[in-house]
Amino acid sequence: SQLAEENLWALSVHEGESVTVNCSYKTSITALQWYRQKSGEGPAQLILIRSNEREKRNGRLRATLDTSSQSSSLSITATRCEDTAVYFCATDATSSGQKLVFGQGTILKVYL
Amino acid sequence: NTKITQSPRYLILGRANKSLECEQHLGHNAMYWYKQSAEKPPELMFLYNLKQLIRNETVPSRFIPECPDSSKLLLHISAVDPEDSAVYFCASSRQGADERLFFGHGTKLSVL
Repeated sequence: SQLAEENLWALSVHEGESVTVNCSYKTSITALQWYRQKSGEGPAQLILIRSNEREKRNGRLRATLDTSSQSSSLSITATRCEDTAVYFCATDATSSGQKLVFGQGTILKVYL
Repeated sequence: NTKITQSPRYLILGRANKSLECEQHLGHNAMYWYKQSAEKPPELMFLYNLKQLIRNETVPSRFIPECPDSSKLLLHISAVDPEDSAVYFCASSRQGADERLFFGHGTKLSVL
């Protein structure tokens, strides 16, 4: 069963624009993580936001977490072509022990 | 990411037995095998923490994990099936799934 789910299958934006990817999850969590996976590579973590945090930033990235609506967002400002990738949210449901479950992913394409 | 190395990068199998290898140089206590089928998110197969198998997902018995020491992880595969064609990622984290996972580049398995 999917514990986390991104809300959009694919997005495309012009370089320089901002974009937001949303994620919803189904159960109580300890933390939510955002990963990026470029073609031919393994996933790479972007941001980890814990259940007692509401916002986290990392350079051009900003993640939010709303535990009441069980949702999270990842915003990227001033996008670049190299931001083209699949973006996953992943959660470690408190009931699942040490199991990190990934959402289906959102494909982001940034073009000139 | 050269901190987690996986071998081989590509594997083409008929019905032979084979093993995937992974080594992490991060001093992490937890190591994972994930399977990623085409256009799907990574799915957890096995998790080791301090060499103890913590979570053993319901994967076919032809997949057998082995953790000879805390920095190495093996995945033995016997009598592969075409549905096993996927990319297999090794990952590690300091303690558990509420922390950042570091992924290797993956082994692409193609079953003829």
